[in-house]
Amino acid sequence: DQQVKQNSPSLSVQEGRISILNCDYTNSMFDYFLWYKKYPAEGPTFLISISSIKDKNEDGRFTVFLNKSAKHLSLHIVPSQPGDSAVYFCAASRVYGNTGKLIFGQGTTLQVKP
Amino acid sequence: NAGVTQTPKFQVLKTGQSMTLQCAQDMNHNSMYWYRQDPGMGLRLIYYSASEGTTDKGEVPNGYNVSRLNKREFSLRLESAAPSQTSVYFCASRDPGDRADTQYFGPGTRLTVL
Repeated sequence: DQQVKQNSPSLSVQEGRISILNCDYTNSMFDYFLWYKKYPAEGPTFLISISSIKDKNEDGRFTVFLNKSAKHLSLHIVPSQPGDSAVYFCAASRVYGNTGKLIFGQGTTLQVKP
Repeated sequence: NAGVTQTPKFQVLKTGQSMTLQCAQDMNHNSMYWYRQDPGMGLRLIYYSASEGTTDKGEVPNGYNVSRLNKREFSLRLESAAPSQTSVYFCASRDPGDRADTQYFGPGTRLTVL
């Protein structure tokens, strides 16, 4: 049972335009949602997170929106740059129990064309 | 600060051989994790260690064992490698004071089992 889903395997965007990456989840008990970015031959790096009690979090060019009623979150990158080309994973966690386990989506490959 | 380090970077095994993947972190984190990444599957948790002296199974533990050697080191062992264990393996650690459960990843070990 896939609790976190990224239904778009890939996305191609022109440099300077907005990139929107989507993620859906099924478990309403998740407390935090995180986005990670991964370049080839490197480990994932943390990008941005959002608490389940918020609906928006912004960090520079990156904004994450959370729609709890729809169990949906999205990552907006504005403006997109060629260096943003990478695989993006969304992940979810439950703070209860303090194990810190993350459940990841399948990933979306973003290509930003110059 | 090296963060999370993993050795080796690459490994080729024959079916039935054994090996140990090493992971170390210098961030004084309590929790450590082992994931595998396969195409279209995202990152799946193999085992984790919430604190020194404890280990627990994740989503895909079969065929693996782990040892939390001390606070810094968390190793993953394949006792009898199978082609299905061909994957990229990532180790991660987490600061228990981080409410968002942000995990920090190593660069990965690319394992091929023939």
